[in-house]
Amino acid sequence: DSGVTQTPKHLITATGQRVTLRCSPRSGDLSVYWYQQSLDQGLQFLIQYYNGEERAKGNILERFSAQQFPDLHSELNLSSLELGDSALYFCASSVEGGHGNEQFFGPGTRLTVL
Amino acid sequence: EDQVTQSPEALRLQEGESSSLNCSYTVSGLRGLFWYRQDPGKGPEFLFTLYSAGEEKEKERLKATLTKKESFLHITAPKPEDSATYLCAVQAYDKVIFGPGTSLSVIP
Repeated sequence: DSGVTQTPKHLITATGQRVTLRCSPRSGDLSVYWYQQSLDQGLQFLIQYYNGEERAKGNILERFSAQQFPDLHSELNLSSLELGDSALYFCASSVEGGHGNEQFFGPGTRLTVL
Repeated sequence: EDQVTQSPEALRLQEGESSSLNCSYTVSGLRGLFWYRQDPGKGPEFLFTLYSAGEEKEKERLKATLTKKESFLHITAPKPEDSATYLCAVQAYDKVIFGPGTSLSVIP
């Protein structure tokens, strides 16, 4: 158990809908990362927050947004969902924000868009 | 262009047969290179961090090494429980790039 929690574990929804994925980092970690993993794309970095502020942005679509709250939990919002958004979404946390700190991953949320 | 490649894509070993996995990278401003293990349907599990060329780290049957252009994950006398996908990742100042992974199967 990495200490990172993600909810829900599974999510099934329809095209055009909006969903919110939640992540709680390990105790003491200030940085949260979001990743998308699909069979054909591997693990893709989406976005990073550090202590409530956006730190780095990867291949995140404009339909997706995220935020980190004062208690350091984070939410990833996915809107206008398409079939291609079906994937595993992972959250990871680290102590600091950009200096080569190892990340600890949660169990993931499996999103299925029908 | 920043990128990470891994080879081989898949590796099948007999129990006890040692081998190495390769991770090659091109990135500006490397902050760290990481190895993770991922079991099907689960989140990646952290194994090692390497920061500079020449650095080596060991954990049980695994040993990771780093040069300026690549990293190797050596597996000595593997057991069936070592079967998993091994991911390499590099972190620069403003990005994290994961390689596609090597799927390792260890046959009893």
